[in-house]
Amino acid sequence: AQSVTQPDIHITVSEGASLELRCNYSYGATPYLFWYVQSPGQGLQLLLKYFSGDTLVQGIKGFEAEFKRSQSSFNLRKPSVHWSDAAEYFCADSNFGNEKLTFGTGTRLTIIP
Amino acid sequence: DVKVTQSSRYLVKRTGEKVFLECVQDMDHENMFWYRQDPGLGLRLIYFSYDVKMKEKGDIPEGYSVSREKKERFSLILESASTNQTSMYLCASILAAGGVSGYTFGSGTRLTVV
Repeated sequence: AQSVTQPDIHITVSEGASLELRCNYSYGATPYLFWYVQSPGQGLQLLLKYFSGDTLVQGIKGFEAEFKRSQSSFNLRKPSVHWSDAAEYFCADSNFGNEKLTFGTGTRLTIIP
Repeated sequence: DVKVTQSSRYLVKRTGEKVFLECVQDMDHENMFWYRQDPGLGLRLIYFSYDVKMKEKGDIPEGYSVSREKKERFSLILESASTNQTSMYLCASILAAGGVSGYTFGSGTRLTVV
C-alpha cells in the first residue's frame, strides 16, 4: 500500500538558519508528490508539487524540494527560515495526481530567535 | 481562484447526535475528498467521490457516510456522533484530469463531541 513517511515529528530551528524536512514515499512508478503547510488553526496551503521533469522544484515562500528516485525521497528545504515559517508541514503522494492523497504524519516546525 | 468552503468552522455536538458537515466547491471539480486530522496521525482519508452519487471508502470510513447529490457539494455524515470522532475535518477537491491544477482544501471544521 502507498505510504508516506516523515521521520521527524518536531524540528526546532533558529531564525535565519537553513531548514530541511525529510519525506520518503513508498509508491514507485509515477509519484505525484506535494508539500503542504498548515499554520495554527488554518487549512492546508500548497507549497510545491512534483509531477515530472526537473527534479528540483521551486515553491512559494522561498521553499524548494528535490525529488530523488534512488532514495524515494522528496525533502523540503529553505536556505533561511523566518519566524513566520513556524507551522506544521505535510508531505503527500497521489496516484496519477488526481486521486486520493496519502499524507505523512507531519513535521511541526518551531523557530527560535 | 478555486474556493472550497466548509460551512462551519467550529461545531460542538452531543454524543448520539446525527451530524452533517458540508463542503461546497465552486470550480466544477469532479473529485472530492473528506479527511480527518488528528495530532500525530496526520490526515487520513474517510471517503471520496469521483462523480455525483458516486462514493468510495477511504482508509477510515467506519462511523461515517457521505452524500453527493450535486457536483459542487459533498457532505460528510456522522450517523451517531461519538467522542472519538472529535477531530478536525478537512474537505478537498480536484479536477478529474488532475495534474497541474492541484488539490484545493477548505479551511476545516473542528468538531467536538461531548
